[in-house]
Amino acid sequence: GAVVSQHPSWVICKSGTSVKIECRSLDFQATTMFWYRQFPKQSLMLMATSNEGSKATYEQGVEKDKFLINHASLTLSTLTVTSAHPEDSSFYICSARDEAGGKTGELFFGEGSRLTVL
Amino acid sequence: DAKTTQPNSMESNEEEPVHLPCNHSTISGTDYIHWYRQLPSQGPEYVIHGLTSNVNNRMASLAIAEDRKSSTLILHRATLRDAAVYYCILPLAGGTSYGKLTFGQGTILTVHP
Repeated sequence: GAVVSQHPSWVICKSGTSVKIECRSLDFQATTMFWYRQFPKQSLMLMATSNEGSKATYEQGVEKDKFLINHASLTLSTLTVTSAHPEDSSFYICSARDEAGGKTGELFFGEGSRLTVL
Repeated sequence: DAKTTQPNSMESNEEEPVHLPCNHSTISGTDYIHWYRQLPSQGPEYVIHGLTSNVNNRMASLAIAEDRKSSTLILHRATLRDAAVYYCILPLAGGTSYGKLTFGQGTILTVHP
């Protein structure tokens, strides 16, 4: 079945540094990918929609200059957390849909990337 | 996404069937019903989806009420690996927004040995 892979699975960084998380669709093309954030004991919250070849669409309250999204190819979207602070520590998850599945089929999620900012 | 309501938690014993309910009284005629589950420290995993008819796959069955205002995810024989948070979601149908999911709190399923 279709697979979405994230890298790294976990990362620890110092406050003030930037961290890049990759999301790849391994065996299908995805013009649209989605980035979610999940804090402990909470549900997933959509951060932004990543669009191949164009700017990402951010949800209300999500700082686009802090969470940079690049979707340079049909199989790769990246999320860069810039100038990370401890409050950015979270579980970041991406998802994608197989375009061939149409607009009603299953969605595929990455394994998640756990970011800890010291 | 149309709103869904699920119980906060449910418990089951291993190898027994589990019925996870979901209410979606404001569902529209074109809304598909999706179920995903999230195991600890992992991304969500697709379980099953349907529109009107009951659906079966290797993981589970989905029973959809005739008026479509509720549905039930059925795990025929729960295993310890089925312990997870189960989310019932009605994604926006069609358009570029498809895939943009609104996650509720889901149902935490605990499976006892």
